[in-house]
Amino acid sequence: SAVISQKPSRDICQRGTSLTIQCQVDSQVTMMFWYRQQPGQSLTLIATANQGSEATYESGFVIDKFPISRPNLTFSTLTVSNMSPEDSSIYLCSAWGTGRDEQYFGPGTRLTVT
Amino acid sequence: EDQVTQSPEALRLQEGESSSLNCSYTVSGLRGLFWYRQDPGKGPEFLFTLYSAGEEKEKERLKATLTKKESFLHITAPKPEDSATYLCAVQSNDYKLSFGAGTTVTVRA
Repeated sequence: SAVISQKPSRDICQRGTSLTIQCQVDSQVTMMFWYRQQPGQSLTLIATANQGSEATYESGFVIDKFPISRPNLTFSTLTVSNMSPEDSSIYLCSAWGTGRDEQYFGPGTRLTVT
Repeated sequence: EDQVTQSPEALRLQEGESSSLNCSYTVSGLRGLFWYRQDPGKGPEFLFTLYSAGEEKEKERLKATLTKKESFLHITAPKPEDSATYLCAVQSNDYKLSFGAGTTVTVRA
């Protein structure tokens, strides 16, 4: 199985600022994804992080608000830009394609915007 | 648009009282159906992947089954440590997961 780490694990940020979340996988993976889990709700896909090219965003999510990078097969970043209290959520990194037919999740980054 | 519906929303069980969780889905192109366990404050923990109707997989007290329109997660003789939220997700051909709202299971000793 793949082990996924995220930094930071939690943060409290001021409205209007930006936060970059890092995701590191302990092995090379084919695909990486970013999900959001709002309080008391299930997971919603934000985007697919494509290695070496622009991320593919789901409906309702845009690059200016959630820029994503994936410079190699084990690492990705998600930035939450110009934050508002509505961005308070848990952000989760996910990885697919470790040679096993399983998709793994990181521990999440709990973001609170005040 | 893919839709995943889980029921019940919450389930309270006595230790040893077996039960089942349901996940029904409509999806344009199903690659697989996934079950996860999520504990409070943690990321989802992978449990099972099912691919075709009739398939079954087991892990300790958990057994997942799949039909053409739904999946069941059976919990046999549950223990308090089985208390968690169980999430069902369908994977489309582009490997994206669409999640249900989850079933929160509480097992009392």
